[in-house]
Amino acid sequence: GAGVSQSPRYKVTKRGQDVALRCDPISGHVSLYWYRQALGQGPEFLTYFNYEAQQDKSGLPNDRFSAERPEGSISTLTIQRTEQRDSAMYRCASSPRQGSTGELFFGEGSRLTVL
Amino acid sequence: SQQGEEDPQALSIQEGENATMNCSYKTSINNLQWYRQNSGRGLVHLILIRSNEREKHSGRLRVTLDTSKKSSSLLITASRAADTASYFCATLGTDSWGKLQFGAGTQVVVTP
Repeated sequence: GAGVSQSPRYKVTKRGQDVALRCDPISGHVSLYWYRQALGQGPEFLTYFNYEAQQDKSGLPNDRFSAERPEGSISTLTIQRTEQRDSAMYRCASSPRQGSTGELFFGEGSRLTVL
Repeated sequence: SQQGEEDPQALSIQEGENATMNCSYKTSINNLQWYRQNSGRGLVHLILIRSNEREKHSGRLRVTLDTSKKSSSLLITASRAADTASYFCATLGTDSWGKLQFGAGTQVVVTP
């Protein structure tokens, strides 16, 4: 597609369930980023990939969070045993260049609500 | 944790006026970027300024960077109602390659 595509756009789940959020970056983009954004706040860095290699996962809050990009294109952010504090907008971005040396292209986000 | 802090948190102006917002950051940077976000939608890149640049223009946007003060400003001239949005600065630190960190944003409302 023309832009970064995220799915699902909205996810409501019960506490304790696992969720998987998907990101399809712009074709050919090398880098892919995951951010989390709380209402009224700026995006908070979670992790990023260059091609299929996860370069930095220092922003993942705990070991319930993981991300992969096995073929260097689509990425999945997985949250295991969800908790209410995980509720947020999860945003994916991609870039044609490595390492945020240029602009990031953001998707519309996946809004997660944990009941 | 967030690297940048925007000031003011909120700004209300009338169409035709200029809007200025500031960003302060803590560590040495490779570049600083400004993004716009309309009503909770995806962020859109506005402008990027590198650490060795002091000023940059793009249409009605003017960005300045003062690395000695670790601060940047974004000026929107002749504002329009369509400029109503949240504006975020984001920094790429020299010691955190790839980790673009965002501030909390400035919410701008432009009234006709």
